[in-house]
Amino acid sequence: QLQLQESGPGLVKPSETLSLTCTVSGGSISSSSYYWGWIRQPPGQGLEWIGSIYYTGVTYYNPSLKSRVTMSVDTSKNQFSLKLTSVTAADTAVYYCARLYCTNPNCFQFDYWGQGTLLTVSS
Amino acid sequence: SYELTQPLSVSVALGQTAGINCGGNNVGSKSVHWYQQKSGQAPVVVIYRDSNRPSGIPERFSGSKSGNTATLTISRAQAGDEADYYCQVWDSSTGHVVFGGGTKLTVL
Repeated sequence: QLQLQESGPGLVKPSETLSLTCTVSGGSISSSSYYWGWIRQPPGQGLEWIGSIYYTGVTYYNPSLKSRVTMSVDTSKNQFSLKLTSVTAADTAVYYCARLYCTNPNCFQFDYWGQGTLLTVSS
Repeated sequence: SYELTQPLSVSVALGQTAGINCGGNNVGSKSVHWYQQKSGQAPVVVIYRDSNRPSGIPERFSGSKSGNTATLTISRAQAGDEADYYCQVWDSSTGHVVFGGGTKLTVL
């Protein structure tokens, strides 16, 4: 059974860089059938897609966050990561990592999700 | 950028049928997926590719599309169906994922 687990600091100061890692177990991150994504959810609000990454390093980012987001993948560790720069209180949210099912050339649904990690931006 | 529109809330009487709509330009040409999110939990896909149910999802959940609107239908609604529901598409022209704003389902 595939499992995804987010890890991160929990608390970040304003203007600093947020760094999160998603560890994938029970399956390979190098599969050709999947992209890997980050989604966030501010308290009491809806889901917001942050970006998606393929195991080769190909990325797609939400235009509203693109200037501050960098995603990377480490196939040797079966992990992918998110960096978000210049954070503000508006970046406080539960951050989820998830697997995006794709069959070339299309992608479809997020079929496996991590449990989510709350990241708070505060001084 | 592409947008999906959902009603903020839908109410349904216990045992009756609820419909949650998801509107978007030319959504008929895209695959629509639906997620259920209960309080404090990660989302779970309940319908994928418009009308397909993953294993373990009750037959009471169904999906359809007509024109520029996709619909999630929950038959014989139960108290346990109370949750937030989100529609989602993948925009092939940009490679971007788009979520609807979410609908809170209340079972009365």
